[in-house]
Amino acid sequence: GAGVSQSPSNKVTEKGKDVELRCDPISGHTALYWYRQSLGQGLEFLIYFQGNSAPDKSGLPSDRFSAERTGGSVSTLTIQRTQQEDSAVYLCASSLWNTEAFFGQGTRLTVV
Amino acid sequence: QKEVEQNSGPLSVPEGAIASLNCTYSDRVSQSFFWYRQYSGKSPELIMSIYSNGDKEDGRFTAQLNKASQYVSLLIRDSQPSDSATYLCAVNMDMGRRALTFGSGTRLQVQP
Repeated sequence: GAGVSQSPSNKVTEKGKDVELRCDPISGHTALYWYRQSLGQGLEFLIYFQGNSAPDKSGLPSDRFSAERTGGSVSTLTIQRTQQEDSAVYLCASSLWNTEAFFGQGTRLTVV
Repeated sequence: QKEVEQNSGPLSVPEGAIASLNCTYSDRVSQSFFWYRQYSGKSPELIMSIYSNGDKEDGRFTAQLNKASQYVSLLIRDSQPSDSATYLCAVNMDMGRRALTFGSGTRLQVQP
């Protein structure tokens, strides 16, 4: 596709439910990154993929968070048993190796 | 010490002036450096990349890199109110093994 695509754009979920967020990177981009951003705060790194492997997943805040990437393309970030503190904008970015990274429009997650 | 440091601001400049944004980083072997602009409620947008010491100009923007001093800066000439945003510095450390590391951003306000 022309840019990084994330879905859904908005997600409201009840506390305790599981959610899946999807990222479709720019075609051919080998690197894929997940960050999250709470209101008025900076970017918080979650996980980084190079191809299908994750050399850096040091930012995942708890074992409720997991992510996978298949076929070197689409990535899914899963949050199990959501908590209110998980409410944030989840941003995905992709790049060709370690060059310029481009962001998707984000998924706004609200846990009620 | 944060790995990528920026003054949070706000940095306030009058319309038409030069805005100077600075960033320092901790990893001496970092290879690539990026500036992103983020408007409120939007995702970060790449505006400049720089890989070697010196200046790189693109329109009203100039990125400056000094690897010996471990700083990178962004100059915005003829600042416009539409430049008012948060500017994020990002550094690629440990190529291939780590994700882009972001500073917390500098908020720029251009006064009409």
